[in-house]
Amino acid sequence: AQSVTQLGSHVSVSEGALVLLRCNYSSSVPPYLFWYVQYPNQGLQLLLKYTSAATLVKGINGFEAEFKKSETSFHLTKPSAHMSDAAEYFCAVRSDSSYKLIFGSGTRLLVRP
Amino acid sequence: ETGVTQSPTHLIKTRGQQVTLRCSSQSGHNTVSWYQQALGQGPQFIFQYYREEENGRGNFPPRFSGLQFPNYSSELNVNALELDDSALYLCASSLDPIDYGYTFGSGTRLTVV
Repeated sequence: AQSVTQLGSHVSVSEGALVLLRCNYSSSVPPYLFWYVQYPNQGLQLLLKYTSAATLVKGINGFEAEFKKSETSFHLTKPSAHMSDAAEYFCAVRSDSSYKLIFGSGTRLLVRP
Repeated sequence: ETGVTQSPTHLIKTRGQQVTLRCSSQSGHNTVSWYQQALGQGPQFIFQYYREEENGRGNFPPRFSGLQFPNYSSELNVNALELDDSALYLCASSLDPIDYGYTFGSGTRLTVV
């Protein structure tokens, strides 16, 4: 069975600082991995996805993530946080038995002025 | 592209009642999935429809049912509502099951009292 673990339910950074949101996955087959962002009272917006091409994936809004098979990780980073980045971030893996997405429990990013 | 539109945005129902939530997918998106997101948690997969047939189901009881229509719209029906059904319900559509870049709607917030 596949699963996703997001370390840290809350992450707080200063504006301009590095953003690092952690995601570890468990999968018996090569995974498809995703990061979504959710702003208050809104749905999910796709930031980026890994589908077995380049291990470093660039997404929207300056975010990127690196797939590391040896560490079963897919951490999300952004060099410089903006106030507008404050939101909930979800890592997800595609199920190997269907096309469903399995989400982590989310990390709330707080950006301090 | 018109995006994914869900209605209503908010709904309050009484325990034991039935509810129908609606989703209008992007034109051409023949795959639609529904997710339940309880407060403070990641979305949980309910089921998926491809070309009007259910082709995947999560760990939800039969009182959760759905329909997909030829015009790319879909419905989620929940019978015999329980208090624990209170959640944000998200609809997500995709152009093709191979394309894992699902587009999510903003969701319907269901409160069961």
